[in-house]
Amino acid sequence: KQEVTQIPAALSVPEGENLVLNCSFTDSAIYNLQWFRQDPGKGLTSLLLIQSSQREQTSGRLNASLDKSSGRSTLYIAASQPGDSATYLCAVRGLRGTASKLTFGTGTRLQVTL
Amino acid sequence: EPEVTQTPSHQVTQMGQEVILRCVPISNHLYFYWYRQILGQKVEFLVSFYNNEISEKSEIFDDQFSVERPDGSNFTLKIRSTKLEDSAMYFCASTTGTGANTIYFGEGSWLTVV
Repeated sequence: KQEVTQIPAALSVPEGENLVLNCSFTDSAIYNLQWFRQDPGKGLTSLLLIQSSQREQTSGRLNASLDKSSGRSTLYIAASQPGDSATYLCAVRGLRGTASKLTFGTGTRLQVTL
Repeated sequence: EPEVTQTPSHQVTQMGQEVILRCVPISNHLYFYWYRQILGQKVEFLVSFYNNEISEKSEIFDDQFSVERPDGSNFTLKIRSTKLEDSAMYFCASTTGTGANTIYFGEGSWLTVV
């Protein structure tokens, strides 16, 4: 059974800092890994999708890397801003099952302070 | 940009009542999912649906839950006799296919059982 873990559970940084969020998964049989952002009480906003054959993906100040063999992904946020404050979730899409569901991590709650 | 829409955004119901949560997936998508997130916990997979039948379900998805695609556009989750522990945010999601395709999520339906 796939298990997804995210470290740290919470992080507080001053504005302008670069930061790294970590995600690890136990079963490397995945199609892809997706990073989401979730604001309190809100839905899931997809940030980056990285395929199992890729090493990294970039979107603006965000960069996600994937090391499938070691079961790890990182989300790098450059020059953090208060508007980046949210919970960040990683989710892996497994190969098993007809519809290959996503398995989510517990999330990292990020607070960027002024 | 096409999006997954969910109704209602918030529903309060009494324990033991039946609830139907509605979703309109993106129009050309073929795979549909329901996930739930209990407050403060991780997003959990409930069920996937393809070709008018359930393709996979979790242990959470017991006999009190059912899903239906009553027409070409709607996808519903029914909870027959709600319990206090059913209080959660329920997310609908859809995708064009398995594998490399992005899974898109709706904004969620908050269900509060009192």
